[in-house]
Amino acid sequence: EAQVTQNPRYLITVTGKKLTVTCSQNMNHEYMSWYRQDPGLGLRQIYYSMNVEVTDKGDVPEGYKVSRKEKRNFPLILESPSPNQTSLYFCASRRQGANEKLFFGSGTQLSVL
Amino acid sequence: GQNIDQPTEMTATEGAIVQINCTYQTSGFNGLFWYQQHAGEAPTFLSYNVLDGLEEKGRFSSFLSRSKGYSYLLLKELQMKDSASYLCAAPDSNYQLIWGAGTKLIIKP
Repeated sequence: EAQVTQNPRYLITVTGKKLTVTCSQNMNHEYMSWYRQDPGLGLRQIYYSMNVEVTDKGDVPEGYKVSRKEKRNFPLILESPSPNQTSLYFCASRRQGANEKLFFGSGTQLSVL
Repeated sequence: GQNIDQPTEMTATEGAIVQINCTYQTSGFNGLFWYQQHAGEAPTFLSYNVLDGLEEKGRFSSFLSRSKGYSYLLLKELQMKDSASYLCAAPDSNYQLIWGAGTKLIIKP
């Protein structure tokens, strides 16, 4: 089944404790992206990757890191999480082309205490 | 600047028709997307318009007017399962999507 697998689904952590949210897709998509979603705001892009070893900042990259060493994986790393990073996070992928639809992972609800 | 606006919330009755509007301002134009998002779930693709006019897909249709920077999503024969948020999005000049805040649609019996 074609899918984007994101883990964990829920995560509660404390300020400053490094964490990684994993994202993997099995559709051989070149493009992958991370978003955060907060109440009353639209999805905001954190980082994106057009292909292996190519990553770019989105609108809200501060406090986040990503890597794209393999085509299928695009982990999101929070080196020192802070409470303002409490949010719902989505990973997404698509084929190359702005007219291509995004496929989303199931989301990670992160709470930083 | 780049911006997408849509109403925060709408209410409609089961079996009726509802139109969800979206206005956009982007540098350049590379089409407009609609996604559906049920509470606690991921967004899923509904439609993509790049040319003016109405595109029908079953109970859902999407309309685009590039000259007016305007789109709408039309949902017919509403069902309770259509209760969800509907997200409007358009690519910016770097081909990255800018998203509206979403319209929460409440369906009443």
